[in-house]
Amino acid sequence: DSGVTQTPKHLITATGQRVTLRCSPRSGDLSVYWYQQSLDQGLQFLIHYYNGEERAKGNILERFSAQQFPDLHSELNLSSLELGDSALYFCASSGVGNEKLFFGSGTQLSVL
Amino acid sequence: DQQVKQNSPSLSVQEGRISILNCDYTNSMFDYFLWYKKYPAEGPTFLISISSIKDKNEDGRFTVFLNKSAKHLSLHIVPSQPGDSAVYFCAARATSGTYKYIFGTGTRLKVLA
Repeated sequence: DSGVTQTPKHLITATGQRVTLRCSPRSGDLSVYWYQQSLDQGLQFLIHYYNGEERAKGNILERFSAQQFPDLHSELNLSSLELGDSALYFCASSGVGNEKLFFGSGTQLSVL
Repeated sequence: DQQVKQNSPSLSVQEGRISILNCDYTNSMFDYFLWYKKYPAEGPTFLISISSIKDKNEDGRFTVFLNKSAKHLSLHIVPSQPGDSAVYFCAARATSGTYKYIFGTGTRLKVLA
């Protein structure tokens, strides 16, 4: 158990809809990262938050947004969903002075 | 632009033999490298890492080698065990700047009993 919790584990929705993915980092970790893994693709970096502030953006679509709350949990919002957004979404956290990322078990999003 | 590349999508190795997984990177600012292992329906788990001030790091059956001039790193697993069958991702990060961890596309390792 990595200590990173992601909910829900599975999400099935229709095109055009909006969903929210939630991540609770390991206790004490200030950094949260979001990654997308599509079929046969690697882990595509989406966005990084540190202690509530956005630190870095990757290949995140404008239809996607994220935030990190004062209690350090994070949410990834995906809107106007398209079939191509179907993927595994992972959240990872890391702590100060810790070089490793600890990953949650992911949310499998299926857009039908 | 894929800054971290794993050119072998899959690899099969006999149990007890050495598994060698390769990774190339293009960004010379990367100075910290990690390997992760991923089983189906689970998140990636940390395996081993190396800083750019070293050229080798060993942890039990796992050794990571870094060749900075070639911008190449490799993971050696000796001896390979059936339980090592998984997808392996390499990742790289630049210590200065935005602390983005960039991952490769992964190599699926199958260890045959």
